[in-house]
Amino acid sequence: DQQVKQNSPSLSVQEGRISILNCDYTNSMFDYFLWYKKYPAEGPTFLISISSIKDKNEDGRFTVFLNKSAKHLSLHIVPSQPGDSAVYFCAASMNYGGATNKLIFGTGTLLAVQP
Amino acid sequence: EPEVTQTPSHQVTQMGQEVILRCVPISNHLYFYWYRQILGQKVEFLVSFYNNEISEKSEIFDDQFSVERPDGSNFTLKIRSTKLEDSAMYFCASSDRVGTDTQYFGPGTRLTVL
Repeated sequence: DQQVKQNSPSLSVQEGRISILNCDYTNSMFDYFLWYKKYPAEGPTFLISISSIKDKNEDGRFTVFLNKSAKHLSLHIVPSQPGDSAVYFCAASMNYGGATNKLIFGTGTLLAVQP
Repeated sequence: EPEVTQTPSHQVTQMGQEVILRCVPISNHLYFYWYRQILGQKVEFLVSFYNNEISEKSEIFDDQFSVERPDGSNFTLKIRSTKLEDSAMYFCASSDRVGTDTQYFGPGTRLTVL
C-alpha cells in the first residue's frame, strides 16, 4: 500500500537555507494533508496541515503547498535551523462519511540541518 | 498545553503473553486512534474509536487485538497473545473532530516481544 510516498529518505541543508520536503499521493479522494515531525523514541508532533480546497498554508517558518493535479505536496522550512533536524512524515486522510478518519503516512524524510 | 500520554514507555513481554498499553487522550477529544510503527517501517493505522465503539480497523487489527475506554479518561489497547512480529512502537492519538481534524500523538510505547 503506497498511497502516500516520500521518495527522498534523507535531506541535508545548511542552517539558514530553505528545506523542501516532498510528498506524492495516489488516491485522489484524500482531502486533508498533514506534516508531522518526529524525533527518535518520541511520537509524531503535528506541524502544519492543508485542506484540499486550498493550495497553500503558512505558519511561521513552515509553508505547505498542495498541487492537486499533480497529487503532490511539499513542506518548505525557511530559514532552516539545527533544531529542525528530525524525520518528517507526510500524512493524508479522506472524509468518507465515517465517524473517524485514519491517517495514511508516508515513509518519512530524515532532515539534517548543518550548522 | 494539553498532550496525549502513554504508559508504559517500554514493555518487554514473552511471546504468548497478554499486554495492555494505556493512553490518556487530550481531555476534550472524542476520537481516538492507535497506530504502530515497526522498526524501519512507516507509521500504520490499527484502529479508531468513537462513541464507545470501534469506528474503523485495519487488517492488522485481528481477533488478538481489542480496545477499550474503561473510564472517562483512559483508552487501552490489549494484545491477547503476543507474537514476535508485534514488536513495534505503538502510538495513541486523539482529535476533537473528524474531517479536517488534526490528530495529536502520544510519545509511544515500545513493545518488545521475546
